[in-house]
Amino acid sequence: DTAVSQTPKYLVTQMGNDKSIKCEQNLGHDTMYWYKQDSKKFLKIMFSYNNKELIINETVPNRFSPKSPDKAHLNLHINSLELGDSAVYFCASSQDTRRNNEQFFGPGTRLTVL
Amino acid sequence: DQQVKQNSPSLSVQEGRISILNCDYTNSMFDYFLWYKKYPAEGPTFLISISSIKDKNEDGRFTVFLNKSAKHLSLHIVPSQPGDSAVYFCAGIDSWGKLQFGAGTQVVVTP
Repeated sequence: DTAVSQTPKYLVTQMGNDKSIKCEQNLGHDTMYWYKQDSKKFLKIMFSYNNKELIINETVPNRFSPKSPDKAHLNLHINSLELGDSAVYFCASSQDTRRNNEQFFGPGTRLTVL
Repeated sequence: DQQVKQNSPSLSVQEGRISILNCDYTNSMFDYFLWYKKYPAEGPTFLISISSIKDKNEDGRFTVFLNKSAKHLSLHIVPSQPGDSAVYFCAGIDSWGKLQFGAGTQVVVTP
């Protein structure tokens, strides 16, 4: 059983389009995250939600809007896609916001903007 | 502003030998460090962690060493096995509770 799942796994789209990536965790965790892994392979946090509330919002363009309908889901919607948005996006979850909690990652969504 | 640096992008080691992966950090407020392992087309998986109040943590074949004065940590894998071939990410937890990752080191274990 997959603990953290993301759909789709691959997403190829044109500049200017709007797209969403879905994430679900079945671990009963309270906290979920979105990370972006850029072409230089750095994994950088974008957002974090705890019990459906936004707690971390990094310097991310407001074309990116996370939505958490319940604590098991954290979706990422991206408006007006740009070439620079091409990256691998990882969703993750942890039991709660305690600092030493292990984060469990999904398999990633490779977004390619043409 | 990369707060965690892994200066070796790749490491090749013979099966059965020791793999040593290095990581340097600049943020003295990091109080917890983690190593993650990543296979292609999968998400990172947690490997081992260490609190900043310790200098060593061991879990089976994996040992992490922390030198706070040098702002340096290392991961030792001994003996290395073919299944250890993966990308290894070092990460620190900052005062906001955010994981700050290094760029990763690709380990290849050869027979």
